[in-house]
This record gives sequence, C-alpha cells and structure tokens, in this order.
Amino acid sequence: ETGVTQSPTHLIKTRGQQVTLRCSSQSGHNTVSWYQQALGQGPQFIFQYYREEENGRGNFPPRFSGLQFPNYSSELNVNALELDDSALYLCASSLAGTFRPDTQYFGPGTRLTVL
Amino acid sequence: QKEVEQNSGPLSVPEGAIASLNCTYSDRGSQSFFWYRQYSGKSPELIMSIYSNGDKEDGRFTAQLNKASQYVSLLIRDSQPSDSATYLCAVKTSTDKLIFGTGTRLQVFP
Repeated sequence: ETGVTQSPTHLIKTRGQQVTLRCSSQSGHNTVSWYQQALGQGPQFIFQYYREEENGRGNFPPRFSGLQFPNYSSELNVNALELDDSALYLCASSLAGTFRPDTQYFGPGTRLTVL
Repeated sequence: QKEVEQNSGPLSVPEGAIASLNCTYSDRGSQSFFWYRQYSGKSPELIMSIYSNGDKEDGRFTAQLNKASQYVSLLIRDSQPSDSATYLCAVKTSTDKLIFGTGTRLQVFP
C-alpha cells in the first residue's frame, strides 16, 4: 500500500456527461500527477499540480481540468465525456515540484467506463 | 516513431530462466529511465531506475542502459510465476515529462 487513495474505484458514465475523480496524496507529498491508461496501453501524462498550481500538462484537451487543494488532495474533472475517455485514471503523489518518478507513488486508480 | 517503444509480448519463459525485456526511446536528451511492474487490474509499481550507461543490479533485477543506442533493458534472473505481469518502460524526457511505453506482458510458467 502506497498511502495514495483514489475514489471512486469504478464509475460508469454516458457520453456527454461530466465526471470528477478524486485523489488523496500520501502524507507530506505536495505534488500530484494524473495519468490516463487505456486498455493495453501505458499510462499517459495528463497534468501535474504543485502547491495548488498546474505545473505541466500533456497532450490532453482543455475539457480535462484539475484542482489541488491546500491539503494537497486533488481532483480531475472531465467534461463532455467521449467513448475514448474510457480508461484507468491514475494519480501519483510525490515530494518534489519537478518530476521525480523515483519518489512518486501511484494510487490504485479509478476505472471509468463511458457508454 | 513512438517516443518509447516496447514489444507488447507476451514473453513466455519457464520458471528459473532469465527474462529479457527491451525498450527503445526517441528523445536523445532523456536522462532518467524507469521500469515499472503492473499486475492485472493494479497500478504500476516502480522496480528499477537507471540514470547512467551500463548495468544496475537490484536483487534478481538488472537494468541496462545504452544512451548511444537509445536502448534500455531489464533482465529478471531466476524468473518466478509471481513475476508474471506487464512491465512498463518509462523515460523522463528533456521536456521533463514521464513517457511510458505500452508495456511487455511477461508470463512465467512452472
């Protein structure tokens, strides 16, 4: 167990709806990154938050947005859901503001299905 | 050309054998390289990191890096059925992003 938690575990939505996924960082970690992992693919970086500010973004459209709160927990919001948004969404927390994969711990993920 | 490429497998090896997993990357400015293990339905777990050319050993795992050839590999000695999983290669690029390959599925049979 890494100390990173995510909710919900599973979620089913229909196309066009909006969804919010939540992540609670490991104690003391001030950086959170979100990844999308489609079936049979590796995780793809969505964005990173450091001290409540977006600190890097991958090739995802603006309908993917996020928030980080003062307690370093985080949300991923996806608007206007599309079928291709069906995936495992992973958050990962770490200590440093820059990418330090060797200090980054993944949560268990949220499985999103879009019908 | 994909930024990080791996053979999707499955790679099947008998118990006790050496499993060899390979990865190539496109960004010559990349400096940090990682191997993750991911069991079915679970999140990735970091098992090795390597930053310099050559070999790095940790227990039954050896990571190998050749920056000139833009090639990273992972050797698993004395493979066990519990090693059966998908192994993801990840590269921290010169633009400070972590790019994953699609993963290689390893099957270790008794």
